[in-house]
Amino acid sequence: QKEVEQDPGPLSVPEGAIVSLNCTYSNSAFQYFMWYRQYSRKGPELLMYTYSSGNKEDGRFTAQVDKSSKYISLFIRDSQPSDSATYLCAMSVYGQNFVFGPGTRLSVLP
Amino acid sequence: EAQVTQNPRYLITVTGKKLTVTCSQNMNHEYMSWYRQDPGLGLRQIYYSMNVEVTDKGDVPEGYKVSRKEKRNFPLILESPSPNQTSLYFCASRGGIFHEQFFGPGTRLTVL
Repeated sequence: QKEVEQDPGPLSVPEGAIVSLNCTYSNSAFQYFMWYRQYSRKGPELLMYTYSSGNKEDGRFTAQVDKSSKYISLFIRDSQPSDSATYLCAMSVYGQNFVFGPGTRLSVLP
Repeated sequence: EAQVTQNPRYLITVTGKKLTVTCSQNMNHEYMSWYRQDPGLGLRQIYYSMNVEVTDKGDVPEGYKVSRKEKRNFPLILESPSPNQTSLYFCASRGGIFHEQFFGPGTRLTVL
């Protein structure tokens, strides 16, 4: 079993849809959770991070962490074509060694 | 402009020919890392550095070397590249242990 699993996609949705991206993990010591967005031929860029269970909202994006189930999600509301990218979840125990999921490729169709 | 730069961006080489991929950041960050990205496997950390002369292995360090002689630079060295090191490589830096990590543009390496 991989340490971090993520739905590989690809995922295609119409513009305006709500998107749900999910990761599961096996290491209960993870305490730092992140979502990155990666456009084609670019490096990843940080979207959101959180240290604790619960929800964190930033504009159209909501990050959700459920430590008891070892499950994290990223919700995108009112999705736009500019949201088309690969989304990577990442986790860390002490903020040094980061473990990334394989990524979910999202296409938002106009 | 705050950024992480990598060179070269593209490299095709042959098995066994030593190569170095450079990484430089202009943000005075203490932490720097190297990752490789492969389809289906995502980003995997190769090495990281917490400061000058302080480095540690990530998840996939075999076949790679790094050095951190200056704060801004963190080169990745492949002493004897092999075809299984064909990958997309990213350098990243951050200012503190829980700070945002900034990635470079990537280096696509092909080893024949």
